[in-house]
Amino acid sequence: GEDVEQSLFLSVREGDSSVINCTYTDSSSTYLYWYKQEPGAGLQLLTYIFSNMDMKQDQRLTVLLNKKDKHLSLRIADTQTGDSAIYFCAERERDDKIIFGKGTRLHILP
Amino acid sequence: GAVVSQHPSRVICKSGTSVKIECRSLDFQATTMFWYRQFPKKSLMLMATSNEGSKATYEQGVEKDKFLINHASLTLSTLTVTSAHPEDSSFYICSARDEGGWRGAYGYTFGSGTRLTVV
Repeated sequence: GEDVEQSLFLSVREGDSSVINCTYTDSSSTYLYWYKQEPGAGLQLLTYIFSNMDMKQDQRLTVLLNKKDKHLSLRIADTQTGDSAIYFCAERERDDKIIFGKGTRLHILP
Repeated sequence: GAVVSQHPSRVICKSGTSVKIECRSLDFQATTMFWYRQFPKKSLMLMATSNEGSKATYEQGVEKDKFLINHASLTLSTLTVTSAHPEDSSFYICSARDEGGWRGAYGYTFGSGTRLTVV
C-alpha cells in the first residue's frame, strides 16, 4: 500500500529553525499536510500544500515540496517551547483517504 | 471554522463491556466521516469510512463486528467498541469532511480524540 515515512524524533534548540522531513510514495496525491498533535490532544492542521506547488510560507512555517523525489519538509523558524509536539506528515489520496506518517516528536532544548 | 466534537474524551471500561464514542460536526454537514486509531508511538491508522445512510467501509484487518459504526445523520457518527478487551485500549480520533465548504485541504476537520482504556 501507499506509505508515508518520517523520522521519529528531532531535537532543536529554542530560537533555532526546525526542519522536519517526510517522504511519500503516492504520486497521485492531491494535497499534502502537516498536522500538530500535543500530548493527549487531537490533530491540529498546521498547513497544507497542493501537489502542483513547490513552496508555501505561512508566518513561521515554510513547506517545501519536491514532487519528483516525493519529499516534503516543514520548517519552523524561531522554534519556541510551545512548538514541542508530534508533527504528522499526511497525504490525501485520489479516493480522498488521508494517510499519515508515524509522526516526528519535536523536542525543544533550552 | 468547521468544528468536530468528539465525546467522551476519556473512558475507562471493564473488559467485556461495550463503549460508544460519538463524533459530531457542529456547524456543517458531513456525509462522510472517518475513524482513526492511534497506537503508542505509531501513526494514525484509518479504521473505516463512515457514510451517512449506508454501511461503513472498513479497512483491511478491521473487524466490522467489533467496531460498529453508525452514521445516522449528517452531523453524527458513532463508533461502538463491542466486547472490549485490553488490546482495544487506544486513542480513537474521528474526522469529518465539510461537504458544504470549499472542498479542498480545509475540508477535513478532526475531533479531539477519545482515550479508551479497557481494564
